[in-house]
Amino acid sequence: ETGVTQTPRHLVMGMTNKKSLKCEQHLGHNAMYWYKQSAKKPLELMFVYSLEERVENNSVPSRFSPECPNSSHLFLHLHTLQPEDSALYLCASSQLYREGGYTFGSGTRLTVV
Amino acid sequence: ELKVEQNPLFLSMQEGKNYTIYCNYSTTSDRLYWYRQDPGKSLESLFVLLSNGAVKQEGRLMASLDTKARLSTLHITAAVHDLSATYFCAVGGNQFYFGTGTSLTVIP
Repeated sequence: ETGVTQTPRHLVMGMTNKKSLKCEQHLGHNAMYWYKQSAKKPLELMFVYSLEERVENNSVPSRFSPECPNSSHLFLHLHTLQPEDSALYLCASSQLYREGGYTFGSGTRLTVV
Repeated sequence: ELKVEQNPLFLSMQEGKNYTIYCNYSTTSDRLYWYRQDPGKSLESLFVLLSNGAVKQEGRLMASLDTKARLSTLHITAAVHDLSATYFCAVGGNQFYFGTGTSLTVIP
């Protein structure tokens, strides 16, 4: 399998649930990213793992917790979410210091009820 | 933080017409990317522009970059329905900043 794979594609969860989103890249890239895409808003960078070091956006609530066990896998752990967290969550990867840009996964459509 | 603005945000155009989408950014960058997103789908890379004056063309789409003006354009020639999608520009090196997107609808 090639490219960036995200699972699940769709997720419905209650506000008291705990769930995780998974992202896997098969491109040999050394940086991975989580983006949030809400309706009528710009793509919001949530977290960056660059050479396996985390760089985060300080405006992201602590109910979102990333994990990057190795350069090919990225998780986003979710707990006690709010309805406004419903969005499309996109994972991307890139090769640092190269010019190719990001490769995006298909996204996870999250609905918080 | 680098800011990226696109206009228009929404564009409805008839098939066969030409139009241009603009992408302005706030600080110096010599890399600019254009992506396409179909409804409910992920972002697909269209163009990578790496230097001032760079021009890339693919089918009915042509992108250009003016780093001095901090401006990129995406020109659509003789639009067809299949081009209906949201188009994003993104600026940066190892970390991207995305524009708000331009939602394009091509009407038969």
